[in-house]
Amino acid sequence: SQTIHQWPATLVQPVGSPLSLECTVEGTSNPNLYWYRQAAGRGLQLLFYSVGIGQISSEVPQNLSASRPQDRQFILSSKKLLLSDSGFYLCAWSVRGVGQPQHFGDGTRLSIL
Amino acid sequence: DAKTTQPTSMDCAEGRAANLPCNHSTISGNEYVYWYRQIHSQGPQYIIHGLKNNETNEMASLIITEDRKSSTLILPHATLRDTAVYYCIVRPSNDYKLSFGAGTTVTVRA
Repeated sequence: SQTIHQWPATLVQPVGSPLSLECTVEGTSNPNLYWYRQAAGRGLQLLFYSVGIGQISSEVPQNLSASRPQDRQFILSSKKLLLSDSGFYLCAWSVRGVGQPQHFGDGTRLSIL
Repeated sequence: DAKTTQPTSMDCAEGRAANLPCNHSTISGNEYVYWYRQIHSQGPQYIIHGLKNNETNEMASLIITEDRKSSTLILPHATLRDTAVYYCIVRPSNDYKLSFGAGTTVTVRA
């Protein structure tokens, strides 16, 4: 069966520091991959999605970037964190194809001090 | 621009069926209906999805009306672990983005 791993589960970072969150998927090949953010008291917002290695699409302008160095690895990064980057970051995957559901990881709770 | 309308909250008794309604009166022909749930501090969990026909899996059943303007998620035998926020989402088949609204807070009581 397919599994998705995100780490770390929680992270506290100072303003201006760099960020790297990693997500890996097991048990499937050529998945679509996604990064979402859930700010406190708000719904999920799609940040990036990827349909293949090196292919990244950004949904909203922001202080973050994403990369997909391997088929089942998706990385969310920032060079300098802002206070507004705090939130709950979720990685998800889906099988390619029409209407396929997305499956989420357990998320990383990021606090910026 | 909310595409779905759900009740804010509902209670149900442990062991009974839980029926969660969702209105999506402006749904288009290429839009699927998805149901997810989120337990506090965890990522959303996929439950079920459908286009036109009713669907059933090991977790739940999805009943979609013939005009597709509403649907009902049925948890056949609710347990305390089913307490969560349940989201009904409508998404076009050619769109990658899932838009989560406020959902329905379901509390299962012993």
